[in-house]
Amino acid sequence: GDSVTQMEGPVTLSEEAFLTINCTYTATGYPSLFWYVQYPGEGLQLLLKATKADDKGSNKGFEATYRKETTSFHLEKGSVQVSDSAVYFCALQMNSGNTPLVFGKGTRLSVIA
Amino acid sequence: GEEVAQTPKHLVRGEGQKAKLYCAPIKGHSYVFWYQQVLKNEFKFLISFQNENVFDETGMPKERFSAKCLPNSPCSLEIQATKLEDSAVYFCASSQKPDGTGLTFGSGTRLTVV
Repeated sequence: GDSVTQMEGPVTLSEEAFLTINCTYTATGYPSLFWYVQYPGEGLQLLLKATKADDKGSNKGFEATYRKETTSFHLEKGSVQVSDSAVYFCALQMNSGNTPLVFGKGTRLSVIA
Repeated sequence: GEEVAQTPKHLVRGEGQKAKLYCAPIKGHSYVFWYQQVLKNEFKFLISFQNENVFDETGMPKERFSAKCLPNSPCSLEIQATKLEDSAVYFCASSQKPDGTGLTFGSGTRLTVV
């Protein structure tokens, strides 16, 4: 079945450091890809998305590019802030039908001042 | 409204008691999904609806879990005879159309079974 694999955490960075969280997927077709963020005690918020190959999703300084050749959707940010501390989930959704999101296991990011 | 509203925020039940969770999807969204998030952050898909019809229930434990989305009522997820391992945060999400553009999540109901 379809699946998402993302790097194990936790990831601890100093403020202003560069962030990469790796995500790869396995799917039978061509899914849409997402990054969701969960701040402590809150629900999931959509951070960014890409619906086809070579699309780049971006929001709040975060970016991810849909790479079909490597089946990847790595999340990057050039300079993290303490307020970025959260759990980040990579997910895919097939484009046809009422299909559920398939999530990775989440990566906890802690940014220290 | 413009948010997925889940109630209650917290629910505590003794083992064997019933738990009922509610979800009001965003107005105009026809698709509703329930997920269970257990301790290690993993999200497990439970069930999805298209309007009041069950679309995919492959993730639902057959014996004690049930869910409904009736017209003009919040959707509900019910657990009969709760067990300790049902302790989790249950998230509801909705979407307008099945085109792969993602889901809008509610803030979840934390169920603690003691």
